[in-house]
Amino acid sequence: GQQVMQIPQYQHVQEGEDFTTYCNSSTTLSNIQWYKQRPGGHPVFLIQLVKSGEVKKQKRLTFQFGEAKKNSSLHITATQTTDVGTYFCVRGTGGFKTIFGAGTRLFVKA
Amino acid sequence: DSGVTQTPKHLITATGQRVTLRCSPRSGDLSVYWYQQSLDQGLQFLIQYYNGEERAKGNILERFSAQQFPDLHSELNLSSLELGDSALYFCASSVREVWPGNTIYFGEGSWLTVV
Repeated sequence: GQQVMQIPQYQHVQEGEDFTTYCNSSTTLSNIQWYKQRPGGHPVFLIQLVKSGEVKKQKRLTFQFGEAKKNSSLHITATQTTDVGTYFCVRGTGGFKTIFGAGTRLFVKA
Repeated sequence: DSGVTQTPKHLITATGQRVTLRCSPRSGDLSVYWYQQSLDQGLQFLIQYYNGEERAKGNILERFSAQQFPDLHSELNLSSLELGDSALYFCASSVREVWPGNTIYFGEGSWLTVV
């Protein structure tokens, strides 16, 4: 119902390779947020997407919101070791609750 | 530094015991959230308070309870602890009450180990 599915669960890349994580919902999302959690750290807000088809960039990170507002993606170009961590997408439920995806854990080999 | 303060940072306790985790939200934030993160697990929403009132409950066990005080700090009480309660407990805060557009700021977390 209101869960969001994130794939892949894990991703190992060589430094310099690209990385993409996907977030899928069976229901239309009002908006979606992305958070990053470094190993041993706490989740930190990255970005929020609201509009259908929206694309936002933060340096090497590109965030997309699907046209149907049922999916989103985060793409990292030329990964660096500083990109290591778990990336979560987060949806609201139309009220007060927040639902985190299970996260995609990124490992970057130097 | 997110501005959200959690204490204690680490806690080891025995099964059957009770502990209290404390959280001070960012200055000006009225909403407080509690999350549980078990090893290699995602973040499970437990409960949210806004300006002292409970607003939403997630997967919070009956053995757990929380409250938000008039000064807006919050406490999460965990009782009759079991081994499976060992986890990282995050407190988070935000300015607004509801989604959307509500950026959530997380504290560093409280590591609870039940032995």
